[in-house]
Amino acid sequence: AQSVTQLGSHVSVSEGALVLLRCNYSSSVPPYLFWYVQYPNQGLQLLLKYTTGATLVKGINGFEAEFKKSETSFHLTKPSAHMSDAAEYFCAVSGGSQGNLIFGKGTKLSVKP
Amino acid sequence: NAGVTQTPKFQVLKTGQSMTLQCAQDMNHNSMYWYRQDPGMGLRLIYYSASEGTTDKGEVPNGYNVSRLNKREFSLRLESAAPSQTSVYFCASRKPGQGTEKLFFGSGTQLSVL
Repeated sequence: AQSVTQLGSHVSVSEGALVLLRCNYSSSVPPYLFWYVQYPNQGLQLLLKYTTGATLVKGINGFEAEFKKSETSFHLTKPSAHMSDAAEYFCAVSGGSQGNLIFGKGTKLSVKP
Repeated sequence: NAGVTQTPKFQVLKTGQSMTLQCAQDMNHNSMYWYRQDPGMGLRLIYYSASEGTTDKGEVPNGYNVSRLNKREFSLRLESAAPSQTSVYFCASRKPGQGTEKLFFGSGTQLSVL
């Protein structure tokens, strides 16, 4: 069965600092991996996804993630945080019933001025 | 482009009341899903529908029923609401085919059961 673990329910960084949100997965088959972002009072939006091919994936808003099979990780990074990045971020893995995604519990990112 | 539309956006119920959450997508997607989101729990799948006329239970189906009325619409019904069903509910859809695991989400329904 697939599962996702996000390390840290809250992460706080200063504006301009590196953002690192951690995600580890468990999957019995080659996984498809996703990061979604949720701004306050909104639905989830896809940031980026890994399916096959290049292990470094670039997404929207300057975010990127690297698939590391040996570490079963898919950490999300951004070199320089912006105030507008404050949101909750969810890592997800495919492989559930009929194409649904298995989500981690989320990491709330705060950005301090 | 409306995408996935959910109604209502907010709802307050008393314990024991019933209600139906509506979801419609205009992207001709086959698969549709209902998730609930609770603090510290992430999103958990309630029910899903792989295609018109089929529905299946997800991780947390108890206390809910669903109807896939047609290809566009997938409704979630609470027959007798309980305080434990206070949550934010999201509907999502996915287009057919392998390698299309991206889900498109609605903006959510915030439900409080008193």
